[in-house]
Amino acid sequence: AQSVTQLGSHVSVSEGALVLLRCNYSSSVPPYLFWYVQYPNQGLQLLLKYTTGATLVKGINGFEAEFKKSETSFHLTKPSAHMSDAAEYFCAVSEDYGQNFVFGPGTRLSVLP
Amino acid sequence: DADVTQTPRNRITKTGKRIMLECSQTKGHDRMYWYRQDPGLGLQLIYYSFDVKDINKGEISDGYSVSRQAQAKFSLSLESAIPNQTALYFCATSDTKPGLSYNEQFFGPGTRLTVL
Repeated sequence: AQSVTQLGSHVSVSEGALVLLRCNYSSSVPPYLFWYVQYPNQGLQLLLKYTTGATLVKGINGFEAEFKKSETSFHLTKPSAHMSDAAEYFCAVSEDYGQNFVFGPGTRLSVLP
Repeated sequence: DADVTQTPRNRITKTGKRIMLECSQTKGHDRMYWYRQDPGLGLQLIYYSFDVKDINKGEISDGYSVSRQAQAKFSLSLESAIPNQTALYFCATSDTKPGLSYNEQFFGPGTRLTVL
């Protein structure tokens, strides 16, 4: 069965610092991987996704993630944090072409001035 | 206008009451989902529907039921609400047709339900 773990339920960074949010998954088949962002009082919005092909995926708002099969990881990064990046971030995995997802528990990102 | 809408956005009810949460979409997607979100647990799948005649249980379906009235509408019911069903509920849709949004779920804004 597929599963997702996200290391760190809360991450704090200073404005301008590197953002690194960790995601590890387990899957019995090559997975589809996703990062979603949830701003306060809003639904989830797709940041980026990996399906096939290039393992470094670029998303919206300057975020990117790299699929590393050997490490079963899909960590999310952004070179320079902005105050507007403060939100909750969810990693998700799907084994059936993105139709049924398993979500990680989420990581809340705080950006300090 | 939002593509995926949920009503109500907030609801407070009492134990034992029947509650219906509604979801509508204008995206033309055939697949619809209901999730609940609890702090520290992420999103858990309650029910999903691949088309009007296809309803499937998710990982936490006990205490819930659904109805797919049309391709665009998917309702979630709590027949007899209990306090541990207090949570944030999200509806989502996805598309099976190849295209830019293939393999992506689109979420509504959520319904915050409190059961006293």
